[in-house]
Amino acid sequence: AQKITQTQPGMFVQEKEAVTLDCTYDTSDPSYGLFWYKQPSSGEMIFLIYQGSYDQQNATEGRYSLNFQKARKSANLVISASQLGDSAMYFCAMRERNQGGKLIFGQGTELSVKP
Amino acid sequence: KAGVTQTPRYLIKTRGQQVTLSCSPISGHRSVSWYQQTPGQGLQFLFEYFSETQRNKGNFPGRFSGRQFSNSRSEMNVSTLELGDSALYLCASRRETSGLTDTQYFGPGTRLTVL
Repeated sequence: AQKITQTQPGMFVQEKEAVTLDCTYDTSDPSYGLFWYKQPSSGEMIFLIYQGSYDQQNATEGRYSLNFQKARKSANLVISASQLGDSAMYFCAMRERNQGGKLIFGQGTELSVKP
Repeated sequence: KAGVTQTPRYLIKTRGQQVTLSCSPISGHRSVSWYQQTPGQGLQFLFEYFSETQRNKGNFPGRFSGRQFSNSRSEMNVSTLELGDSALYLCASRRETSGLTDTQYFGPGTRLTVL
């Protein structure tokens, strides 16, 4: 069964440092996409970065990069040069090709950035 | 370009009542999905609509229903409200292409409280 696991309920990072948020997944579908979203206290889910199962290179979007290890079924999010505004919940999600728009989410990691 | 909008943002109802939530997708997006977010269960997929047809459905009772209009706007309805229906309801839209890179963009959510 498809599943997303985020093992870090909460993380702290010093401002300007880098932080890695873990995500492992389980699927039997060879074609899938992995997404990371940020959810501030306001509640809105903000798309950060996407990685496809057939992508050869790790995805990058500004300060966000994805450490994709397909054999290990992991897709860790790396945030470089953390800012105070990065404090939020972060969710890893997966979509399989045959599931249309259905996203399966992990439980999330609460990131707190310290000044 | 306007983002996904959801109305109302906040709602208080009592047990046994019914409620209708509305979602307007990003212009040009044809697929709308709904998610329920609670502290205990996390983010769970409710259903997805495309071209006025429900294409996928999560594991929720029949009290939860939805529909999509010809302009892609969507509504979801919850009948006979229970205390456990208190949640943040998020709507997401995507353009609907053939690839998994088709990102879902979320609205700000409707926070429903059932008393």
